[in-house]
Amino acid sequence: DAGVIQSPRHEVTEMGQEVTLRCKPISGHNSLFWYRQTMMRGLELLIYFNNNVPIDDSGMPEDRFSAKMPNASFSTLKIQPSEPRDSAVYFCASSPWDRQNTEAFFGQGTRLTVV
Amino acid sequence: AQRVTQPEKLLSVFKGAPVELKCNYSYSGSPELFWYVQYSRQRLQLLLRHISRESIKGFTADLNKGETSFHLKKPFAQEEDSAMYYCALSNTGFQKLVFGTGTRLLVSP
Repeated sequence: DAGVIQSPRHEVTEMGQEVTLRCKPISGHNSLFWYRQTMMRGLELLIYFNNNVPIDDSGMPEDRFSAKMPNASFSTLKIQPSEPRDSAVYFCASSPWDRQNTEAFFGQGTRLTVV
Repeated sequence: AQRVTQPEKLLSVFKGAPVELKCNYSYSGSPELFWYVQYSRQRLQLLLRHISRESIKGFTADLNKGETSFHLKKPFAQEEDSAMYYCALSNTGFQKLVFGTGTRLLVSP
């Protein structure tokens, strides 16, 4: 298994444009997390899904952010419209999340720069 | 609400010195605590979890429920330990995984 796959690895966009980040979790994992990493705030949990259902989106900063998980093998995080303060590294992670194994496996992240 | 606090942004030590990375948490239920590590140009990965009571790469961490702490310790730091370390907490249902702000450990020769 190639692990959690995120695309693109880097994204540079102009303020006001729509940005879509993609994530393919590890097959068989039933939980998926989206995080944002910044120097000031570290790793912030934006939203997480369990069995494709959004469980907690309280970390989503604004209505400009939305996330979907249409099936067990794909999730997107969309920012519309994007702003310079959204610049960060966005991580996706998945986990089997049962009592025997609660480890989260991370993708390599998408570095987003909004100019 | 779940919250994880790592008071130090940067910890700089010399090779061979003891290391302690601090982590405090707040959670009303029974938490599961983790330490994750991110080496340069690598993915964030699990280092250890409190329920396993294991030592990984010489690191240990003990959950102290009285002090609500889960500090990471190593008696003798190595240069290859230089990395970003994150403390994390999951809730009783083992779903929501919340991280602290991270501590960068720099081990100098």
